[in-house]
Amino acid sequence: DAMVIQNPRYQVTQFGKPVTLSCSQTLNHNVMYWYQQKSSQAPKLLFHYYDKDFNNEADTPDNFQSRRPNTSFCFLDIRSPGLGDAAMYLCATSRPTGTDTQYFGPGTRLTVL
Amino acid sequence: DQQVKQNSPSLSVQEGRISILNCDYTNSMFDYFLWYKKYPAEGPTFLISISSIKDKNEDGRFTVFLNKSAKHLSLHIVPSQPGDSAVYFCAASVNYGQNFVFGPGTRLSVLP
Repeated sequence: DAMVIQNPRYQVTQFGKPVTLSCSQTLNHNVMYWYQQKSSQAPKLLFHYYDKDFNNEADTPDNFQSRRPNTSFCFLDIRSPGLGDAAMYLCATSRPTGTDTQYFGPGTRLTVL
Repeated sequence: DQQVKQNSPSLSVQEGRISILNCDYTNSMFDYFLWYKKYPAEGPTFLISISSIKDKNEDGRFTVFLNKSAKHLSLHIVPSQPGDSAVYFCAASVNYGQNFVFGPGTRLSVLP
């Protein structure tokens, strides 16, 4: 089945220790997104790629970076995780037209100790 | 500053009855709206959408109503089934774009 896969599902890191979350897709979609969702809050868009073009949301902290080496993979790097970065991180993909739905992965729950 | 609000964190409904989930928005530039459903341990999945040129869109048991003057939309599920128990997110975008702003979600419990 075509899908969006996120690894790992659960990630524990230490305060200040860099961590990388990964997302892969078999849908061959042009656009890939990373969202941060804290408990009982709305998913918040961090950034997205349209093919190789990177689009950062204005209020995304510099601590968050992303890489997209090819169509299928996208990575979220948190350079120095703080306690406030503990959250669910959701990856999503879509075709480029605005009315196309986004397909979400199951998320990676990040814990920062 | 929440642009998309879902003021009911949770809702319980009896099986077979109507579920009504509400969403309010503040940005009058939003012109495309979606509802997503999320089960535990899964990502959100698309449920139904509506563009600002319509005031109603129906898909089976699910109907979304849009009231632009009130900046309000609602999702009706009739009849509600236990499998509908999930968190429902409302999302909106400007210029039919893909940068969606999500609401915080409403947890629906359908009781047998």
